[in-house]
Amino acid sequence: EPEVTQTPSHQVTQMGQEVILRCVPISNHLYFYWYRQILGQKVEFLVSFYNNEISEKSEIFDDQFSVERPDGSNFTLKIRSTKLEDSAMYFCATTGGRNTEAFFGQGTRLTVV
Amino acid sequence: GNSVTQMEGPVTLSEEAFLTINCTYTATGYPSLFWYVQYPGEGLQLLLKATKADDKGSNKGFEATYRKETTSFHLEKGSVQVSDSAVYFCALSDPYGGATNKLIFGTGTLLAVQP
Repeated sequence: EPEVTQTPSHQVTQMGQEVILRCVPISNHLYFYWYRQILGQKVEFLVSFYNNEISEKSEIFDDQFSVERPDGSNFTLKIRSTKLEDSAMYFCATTGGRNTEAFFGQGTRLTVV
Repeated sequence: GNSVTQMEGPVTLSEEAFLTINCTYTATGYPSLFWYVQYPGEGLQLLLKATKADDKGSNKGFEATYRKETTSFHLEKGSVQVSDSAVYFCALSDPYGGATNKLIFGTGTLLAVQP
C-alpha cells in the first residue's frame, strides 16, 4: 500500500535554530499539506501546496515558515528561528485530487528547548 | 467559521463493550465528515467518511451517520477489541470552501480497551 514518509520521526532543536522537516509524498499525488498538533490541542492546518506553489495557508503560517518541493519528490517544511511554542507533532498529508482521501505520514515530533 | 468538537478522553472500556465517541460540527456550506484513527507510533489513517446528510460511513465494525439536523457525526462500534486502542479524530472538509479542501480536526479522543 502506498504511504507518505516523514523524516525525522523526532527532532530536538535549540530555540532560535532552523529546522527542516521532510516528507516524501505518494508518487502520483498532486496536493500536499502540512498540519501540526501541539500536545493536547487540535490538529491544525498550516499550509497546502499545489502545482509548485502555496494554494492556501493559515494564520499560523507566518514568515517564520516556508515550504518547497526542491527536487520534485521531497516536500519540506522549514521553520526559521524556532520558538518554544513551535514544539508540536507535524504531519504531512497528500491527496491525488481535491475531494479524494488524504494520506498522512506518521508525523515528526519537534521539541524546541 | 468551520469547527469540530469531540468528546474529551481518555475513554477506557473493557473488551466487547459498546463504544460511542461524540462529534459535532459547525460549518458553512455542505461539509464532508471523516473519522481518522492514529494507532501508537503511526500516522493518521482514514477510518470512515460520509459526504452528505444521512450517509452512513462504516469500516472495521465502526459506523458513523451524518446528521445534519443535529450537526453530529458520532462514532460507534458494537464490540470493541484491544486492537482498537488508538486516538480517534473527527474532521470535516468543505469541498467548496477554500482553495484546497483542507481538513479541520477535533482534538482527538484516546480510546483504551482493556482485556
